[in-house]
Amino acid sequence: DAGVTQSPTHLIKTRGQQVTLRCSPISGHKSVSWYQQVLGQGPQFIFQYYEKEERGRGNFPDRFSARQFPNYSSELNVNALLLGDSALYLCASSLLTGGDSPLHFGNGTRLTVT
Amino acid sequence: GDSVTQMEGPVTLSEEAFLTINCTYTATGYPSLFWYVQYPGEGLQLLLKATKADDKGSNKGFEATYRKETTSFHLEKGSVQVSDSAVYFCALSDPFYGNNRLAFGKGNQVVVIP
Repeated sequence: DAGVTQSPTHLIKTRGQQVTLRCSPISGHKSVSWYQQVLGQGPQFIFQYYEKEERGRGNFPDRFSARQFPNYSSELNVNALLLGDSALYLCASSLLTGGDSPLHFGNGTRLTVT
Repeated sequence: GDSVTQMEGPVTLSEEAFLTINCTYTATGYPSLFWYVQYPGEGLQLLLKATKADDKGSNKGFEATYRKETTSFHLEKGSVQVSDSAVYFCALSDPFYGNNRLAFGKGNQVVVIP
């Protein structure tokens, strides 16, 4: 079975640009979460979506937005990129929301802002 | 808010040595606790978990016990291998959002020398 897939694997953007990152969850998983992992730090929670609705948002500015599609795939958008947005962006899926449903992470998208 | 603290700095040890990585947490409720491992170029993989006090999580020779009295969840392995070289993250779940919203520590790089 395919795991969580993310695209692209790497990209380079310039300050002020916008970027869209994509995630396909494991088949049957309805919840998708996004995390930002800055070099040398642990991942930080950005968003969670379940059944196309936002279920949680971390402490990130409004430049960050996301959505989930009917097939449960998801996009993370970041506007007006800053140098500090350079990070590994991880997508994770789970079967359910809340409770003990384990998270499965993709390999991430490495974003570099110059 | 809820948080996780991991011991500072990388850990370098010889093959077959004993590994301990310290993790302490601050939480208002009764979170589940996790250890995730990140191999180079990959996403996070769940190593083990514990959902309540005195639970012991174990996997691949690694163990960690949920200690409510000391708010700790230290990771141990009796005899490490070169293949255990990776970054290890301690994490706790959000009491409301469950496992979809995790708070991670900064991680510890483990390097095992043959």
